[in-house]
Amino acid sequence: DTEVTQTPKHLVMGMTNKKSLKCEQHMGHRAMYWYKQKAKKPPELMFVYSYEKLSINESVPSRFSPECPNSSHVFLHLHTLQPEDSALYLCASCLSGTGIYEQFFGPGTRLTVL
Amino acid sequence: TQLLEQSPQFLSIQEGENLTVYCNSSSVFSSLQWYRQEPGEGPVLLVTVVTGGEVKKLKRLTFQFGDARKDSSLHITAAQPGDTGLYLCAGAEGGGNKLTFGTGTQLKVEL
Repeated sequence: DTEVTQTPKHLVMGMTNKKSLKCEQHMGHRAMYWYKQKAKKPPELMFVYSYEKLSINESVPSRFSPECPNSSHVFLHLHTLQPEDSALYLCASCLSGTGIYEQFFGPGTRLTVL
Repeated sequence: TQLLEQSPQFLSIQEGENLTVYCNSSSVFSSLQWYRQEPGEGPVLLVTVVTGGEVKKLKRLTFQFGDARKDSSLHITAAQPGDTGLYLCAGAEGGGNKLTFGTGTQLKVEL
């Protein structure tokens, strides 16, 4: 298995809803990432898990909360989001520890907040 | 904060033309990746360069890492409509597991 998968592909939610995004990989990668991307802009890093521990939190609002239950899965829990949170949410993974940080991305979840 | 500036920001060309995209920084990177992204999809890794001065070729795409490992270029020969997309460079700092992304180059190749 050489890919990162993300579900759902599309998500529409109201500002008071609670939803979760899921990401998984079975490449044995030990670093996993969440990014937010607006149209035609580069991805913005949100969180990094390294060996299942949260190693980077880029001052993300608390309405986004990540979870890493094991080395193959990460979740991004969403609650009371704002319309400006509408974006493409990308997950990526990386074989940490090699000194070459190639990240492999999933297809993303297109999130619309009404 | 390291910055990676890409140029040009936008590029619209005809099929068959050649083009070069530049990725520049004042900082040194241990490795640099190039990605291509289509609308609504995740970035796809094209290449990783590690050694200063390194040149890698992927069919019609040629990637070069600067001697000082601060800059890189992507040259496409005889562009095709399938090359259309957002091209992103991304540099890795030594010892960390975080990438710094470039500002992006939006390429459109028309028939």
